[in-house]
Amino acid sequence: AQSVTQLGSHVSVSEGALVLLRCNYSSSVPPYLFWYVQYPNQGLQLLLKYTTGATLVKGINGFEAEFKKSETSFHLTKPSAHMSDAAEYFCAVTRGTGNQFYFGTGTSLTVIP
Amino acid sequence: GAVVSQHPSRVICKSGTSVKIECRSLDFQATTMFWYRQFPKQSLMLMATSNEGSKATYEQGVEKDKFLINHASLTLSTLTVTSAHPEDSSFYICSASSGLGLYEQYFGPGTRLTVT
Repeated sequence: AQSVTQLGSHVSVSEGALVLLRCNYSSSVPPYLFWYVQYPNQGLQLLLKYTTGATLVKGINGFEAEFKKSETSFHLTKPSAHMSDAAEYFCAVTRGTGNQFYFGTGTSLTVIP
Repeated sequence: GAVVSQHPSRVICKSGTSVKIECRSLDFQATTMFWYRQFPKQSLMLMATSNEGSKATYEQGVEKDKFLINHASLTLSTLTVTSAHPEDSSFYICSASSGLGLYEQYFGPGTRLTVT
């Protein structure tokens, strides 16, 4: 079975500060991991994904995440927050092609000017 | 890149009526499509998985007679909410997978359903 836990339903950071959104997963098979961002009343936009290979993956808008198998984690980071980063962020895991995604409960990011 | 569209983006209907939501993959063939439901401030909950030409597989607790899913072609899946009630008001999001080993799903922009 797969599951995803996002610690912290709300995170607030100052503009220019480090963003760290936490994601831990459980998976009975090697997972494929994703981070999505959702703006109000919109669908999901893919930020980045890990499938195989390099464990540090870079995504759009300056975000990156590191797959740590020993910690079963896939935390999302960004060195310097922008006001435009304020949104809902979802971590997701899947077993592979054609399989359903399991989403975390989401983290709402607020950026304080 | 792969694009998935949904129509309509917003719909308001009266209680007791039915409403159809379309999900289209615009530039790829979607062997599998997924329908999710999202309540305010909550995560996405999978409702059903549909493969082209096959009956949809519904998640536990989802009424298949109320949420009719049709995946008649490799680019179109429809979700029909029958005899809608106010508690069916929600944000419905579809996603599509090409099945070509890319692992990811491509999400539509969502449909906001309000039942009055």
